Amino acid sequence: DVKVTQSSRYLVKRTGEKVFLECVQDMDHENMFWYRQDPGLGLRLIYFSYDVKMKEKGDIPEGYSVSREKKERFSLILESASTNQTSMYLCASSSLWLAGVRTYNEQFFGPGTRLTVL
Amino acid sequence: DQQVKQNSPSLSVQEGRISILNCDYTNSMFDYFLWYKKYPAEGPTFLISISSIKDKNEDGRFTVFLNKSAKHLSLHIVPSQPGDSAVYFCAAVGGAQKLVFGQGTRLTINP
Repeated sequence: DVKVTQSSRYLVKRTGEKVFLECVQDMDHENMFWYRQDPGLGLRLIYFSYDVKMKEKGDIPEGYSVSREKKERFSLILESASTNQTSMYLCASSSLWLAGVRTYNEQFFGPGTRLTVL
Repeated sequence: DQQVKQNSPSLSVQEGRISILNCDYTNSMFDYFLWYKKYPAEGPTFLISISSIKDKNEDGRFTVFLNKSAKHLSLHIVPSQPGDSAVYFCAAVGGAQKLVFGQGTRLTINP
């Protein structure tokens, strides 16, 4: 059974704190993603990674950074948390989409971390 | 700029009837579309997908229709069941591997 786990379900932090959100997948997937979900805005991509030590910015990378030192683990870092980063954070993973093969590999999501920044 | 739009934040349907969830997109480069379902306190789970070379894909009670000329897709659930109550997200595949999500529609099935 495929599994994506996130280190915390609920997290409360103070403005200015450095925050680490951890995500681990056990499916040997190449691709990993971080999204945030906000009411009325759906899921928005923050960062993604195609391989170890590789990262690319998504649609809303400002205020965030990521780290992927091992294939199974993808960390989201809030360098200095702010109240507008209060949100639900979702991690996902998928297997590699082969170039030239017109198909799509499903993204599997973790349960999410609800972060509150006070 | 919202490239994938779900204009109905919520939908209420009676058990046994058909639920129709709608989604519009603006980018004609999108060529693969998916629907995800999300229960509270859980991550989204994949429901059904459709390639732009098709106009319909069916999986049990779930059917997705794609109208490329109108840049519109819809998800039909028939018959609707109480367990279908969830938030449904429409998504399009942009660049390789990247999903662009709509805002979501909360579906409530009433007994």
